[in-house]
This record gives sequence, structure tokens and C-alpha cells, in this order.
Amino acid sequence: DAGVIQSPRHEVTEMGQEVTLRCKPISGHNSLFWYRQTMMRGLELLIYFNNNVPIDDSGMPEDRFSAKMPNASFSTLKIQPSEPRDSAVYFCASSFTGARDYGYTFGSGTRLTVV
Amino acid sequence: GQQLNQSPQSMFIQEGEDVSMNCTSSSIFNTWLWYKQEPGEGPVLLIALYKAGELTSNGRLTAQFGITRKDSFLNISASIPSDVGIYFCAGPGGGADGLTFGKGTHLIIQP
Repeated sequence: DAGVIQSPRHEVTEMGQEVTLRCKPISGHNSLFWYRQTMMRGLELLIYFNNNVPIDDSGMPEDRFSAKMPNASFSTLKIQPSEPRDSAVYFCASSFTGARDYGYTFGSGTRLTVV
Repeated sequence: GQQLNQSPQSMFIQEGEDVSMNCTSSSIFNTWLWYKQEPGEGPVLLIALYKAGELTSNGRLTAQFGITRKDSFLNISASIPSDVGIYFCAGPGGGADGLTFGKGTHLIIQP
């Protein structure tokens, strides 16, 4: 298994531009999570999906952020318009619901820099 | 929401030294998890704990589930260069399947 695949690995964009981050979860996993990591705030849960349905998006910072999961093998996190304070590493993780240890597998992350 | 406080924030140690770090929660947990993140990668699960007082080892790593169920501890014995990274504690939070993470302990090993 190739693990959780995120793209791009690095993204540099200008303030005001739209940014789309992509994630392919592990086949067979039915939960998908988007996290944001910064030095100040650590790892923050933004949103998670179960069986492709958004369950909890209370961590999404504001309306500029949106996430979709059109099918079991693909999810996107979109920021429009982007701002410098959105600069962070964004991680996607997937798991199988009910795993005793929560069974998270993280991707390698997308490092976003907004200038 | 639930908050996890990890300490210390960072540790500068010599190779071969033992390492201790801890994590406290604002509420009772029934599961404690410890993850390690290496540079440029996502966190990877090291140890999972399920019962108060439980002590679990993974090689040179040993973690304990605190008796109060509001804390957990991770020890690394005889540190080696590849132990460098950020160590996170995590517990249930953020919905039924979501995990809440501490801010991490940065471990730096000096030659």
C-alpha cells in the first residue's frame, strides 16, 4: 500500500489566490481527516469525513476554507482567497472507523506558503 | 474543547541519555496515544495505551497511562541520533473519530 498520498508537497502562492490541496486516503479506510500544523498552534483538526460525509467541520477557521470528498479515494481542501496567515503544513490522515488505536495513517503533508 | 499540555516543549540531550516527557489533559481520557514526527513527514503511531496504570513498551520506548487518567508519560532509554523528531501525545477529541494532539516535544540530540 502506498499510504496516504498528498499533493502537492510544497505550494507557494500569492495572497488572494486560490489554493487546492489534494489527498488520496488508504484504500478501505472510511474516515478522512484534515489537520493544519503550525509552530504556534500545533496540530489542529480542521474537518473530518466518515464514509465521504463531512461529520465535523468546527475546526475550519473561516469561510475561506472548504473541503470536499466526492468519493472514497479523493478529498480536497480549498482556500479561497488565501492569506499569509494560512501558511502552514496541512496534513491529511485516514483511518478505519472503530480501530482501537484510532488507526490514523498520515500523509507526508503539504507545506503551504502564502506571500 | 479538550486541551493537551505537553512538556517540555523541547529537549537538547546527548546521545545515550535517557529522555522523559509527559502530557496532561483537561479531562479524563480512556485512550492515550504517542506519535513521532520526523522532518518532512507526518506523525507515526508509536504506542497506544488503553487502561489507567498501563505500562507499554516499544523497543527503547516506554509509555504509561497515568492513574488519574488525565496524564501520560513517555520515556526513551539510551537515545540514539534517529530518535530526533517531535513527539506528540494524542487522545480522543474533535468528534467521534477525531484525535486531539498536544503541541509536541521537540527532541534534539547533540553529538
